[in-house]
Amino acid sequence: SQTIHQWPATLVQPVGSPLSLECTVEGTSNPNLYWYRQAAGRGLQLLFYSVGIGQISSEVPQNLSASRPQDRQFILSSKKLLLSDSGFYLCAWSVMDRGYQPQHFGDGTRLSIL
Amino acid sequence: AQKVTQAQTEISVVEKEDVTLDCVYETRDTTYYLFWYKQPPSGELVFLIRRNSFDEQNEISGRYSWNFQKSTSSFNFTITASQVVDSAVYFCALSEANTGNQFYFGTGTSLTVIP
Repeated sequence: SQTIHQWPATLVQPVGSPLSLECTVEGTSNPNLYWYRQAAGRGLQLLFYSVGIGQISSEVPQNLSASRPQDRQFILSSKKLLLSDSGFYLCAWSVMDRGYQPQHFGDGTRLSIL
Repeated sequence: AQKVTQAQTEISVVEKEDVTLDCVYETRDTTYYLFWYKQPPSGELVFLIRRNSFDEQNEISGRYSWNFQKSTSSFNFTITASQVVDSAVYFCALSEANTGNQFYFGTGTSLTVIP
């Protein structure tokens, strides 16, 4: 069966510090991968998605970046965090099938910027 | 424009009451898919159901039922005899066959079931 791992679960970082959140998927090949952010009490904002190694689409211009160095690994990064980067970050994967397959989510990372 | 609208931001019901969560979508694709997800307080999103645009048959799963109506572009979710464990944020989502890589999520409805 497929599983998705996301870490860390909780992170507290000072403003201006770098960020690296990692997500890995097991049990499937060539998945679509996604990073979402959810501000407190708000909906889901799609940040990045990837349909293959090295292929990243950005939905929202910001100081975050994403990389996919391996087929089942998706990394969210920042060189300098802002206060507005606080939120709940969710990684998701889906089978590449023209929208038919549901997205499956990790447990999320709660990021607090001080 | 918002492709998925969940007009109800917060709903509170007393345990054992029925509750319906509304979802209205917008698309020009003839082939599309609709989803409901549950986000309990722990945070992870749990996939509940998928419907495709060619299947308007309503579905029932235990206390959960879904009403898909293309004529009104709605995909509403009803919980019968609500329980405290149903307290969560519920998201409706749309994907389109022509842009299958993206999901469009509504802003969510926060449901609180009061014991």
